[in-house]
Amino acid sequence: QVQLQESGPGLVKPSGTLSLTCSVSGGSIRSSTWWSWVRQSPGKRLEWIGEVYHSGTTNYNLSLKSRITISLDKSKNQFSLNLSSVTAADTAMYYCASRPSVVNYYDTAGHFDIWGQGALVTVSS
Amino acid sequence: QSVLTQPPSASGTPGQRVTVSCSGSSSNIGSNYVYWYQQFPGTAPKVLIYRNSQRPSGVPDRFSGSRSGTSASLAISGLRSEDEAEYYCATWDDSLSAVVFGGGTKLTVL
Repeated sequence: QVQLQESGPGLVKPSGTLSLTCSVSGGSIRSSTWWSWVRQSPGKRLEWIGEVYHSGTTNYNLSLKSRITISLDKSKNQFSLNLSSVTAADTAMYYCASRPSVVNYYDTAGHFDIWGQGALVTVSS
Repeated sequence: QSVLTQPPSASGTPGQRVTVSCSGSSSNIGSNYVYWYQQFPGTAPKVLIYRNSQRPSGVPDRFSGSRSGTSASLAISGLRSEDEAEYYCATWDDSLSAVVFGGGTKLTVL
């Protein structure tokens, strides 16, 4: 049973970089899975941030693309999120999640079957 | 403003059937699978329905999903107090090249 666990600073200063890591246990990051980040604002709105495949291929939400980097560390079975130039609007609960990879990419786009417990990140000076 | 439109709230009494709607467009619901998530306070969302109408193992058959045109619905029959939660729809949007979510519907069991 794959489990995900987020870790990282809970407080980031405005204009700084938000960095979070998701540790994968009970399975390999090399599996046929898209490893994703989703955030939820204080108002409860959910927003897909982006994802990475074990090949290193990434897909990002275009609204955040200029500020996002998602990468993976196969040796540690982890993947990470970096979000630069943060503002108060980036304050949210950040979840890592996974979705199965199938032949047709779009057939599982939106199907997040495993989630981490979430990491609350506040942007404040 | 969410790309997918859901009513902010819904309610029902125990045993009733309740539906939650999710309205989109041809670039999202009209051409891609719809997913439904259930979220309790302080916990991560959990997938309730995938590929419009499929239930993961462990999800009671009281929950059902459907899609018609550019709209989708989640139906909960035999409503129970433990169904009180927030419900979100999600799908891929071809124009935005992104997964999009509805704004969420808070279900209250009266």
